[in-house]
Amino acid sequence: GENVEQHPSTLSVQEGDSAVIKCTYSDSASNYFPWYKQELGKGPQLIIDIRSNVGEKKDQRIAVTLNKTAKHFSLHITETQPEDSAVYFCAASQLRAGNQFYFGTGTSLTVIP
Amino acid sequence: GAVVSQHPSWVICKSGTSVKIECRSLDFQATTMFWYRQFPKQSLMLMATSNEGSKATYEQGVEKDKFLINHASLTLSTLTVTSAHPEDSSFYICSAPPRGDTQYFGPGTRLTVL
Repeated sequence: GENVEQHPSTLSVQEGDSAVIKCTYSDSASNYFPWYKQELGKGPQLIIDIRSNVGEKKDQRIAVTLNKTAKHFSLHITETQPEDSAVYFCAASQLRAGNQFYFGTGTSLTVIP
Repeated sequence: GAVVSQHPSWVICKSGTSVKIECRSLDFQATTMFWYRQFPKQSLMLMATSNEGSKATYEQGVEKDKFLINHASLTLSTLTVTSAHPEDSSFYICSAPPRGDTQYFGPGTRLTVL
């Protein structure tokens, strides 16, 4: 089965700096890699995703990169703001109906004002 | 994005009672929904896959008689924690994928068993 590892488990950055969270996966058949943001006491919210036919995707201050050969993908947040503080989860999946997602262990990001 | 709701958002019950949690897809139909359990500061643990019109598929180690799942319609799945005990206290989250698309999560239900 798929195994997703995520690093670091905690990350503190100064407001305005960049934050990078990295994930690796084991199953070469995985073709879809979403990132979720979870605030305290709430459900995870999809913030960005990437499919295996793309190497990079960007949405304003958030970007995701994928290296299929090395089986790793990363979340990049630029110009961090205090409201970016949350737990971030990566996931890997073979995107098709009913297929489960395999989640990383999460990264607690704190942006210091 | 698609919207998934859960009810209740939190519940406190006495040990030995049963609690039902509802998961609804508000603007799409979902033949499959997923139920997760999350302990404090930990990742999401998949409990079971809920299939509309058929039996749920449970992950290894999850007691099917303890956590009853019913997916009676294309927009509603329910999780019933039977004979709840303090160790069942947790944050339960459902998700649903529209048309095989990515998973959208509900807001979660905080269960506290006294």
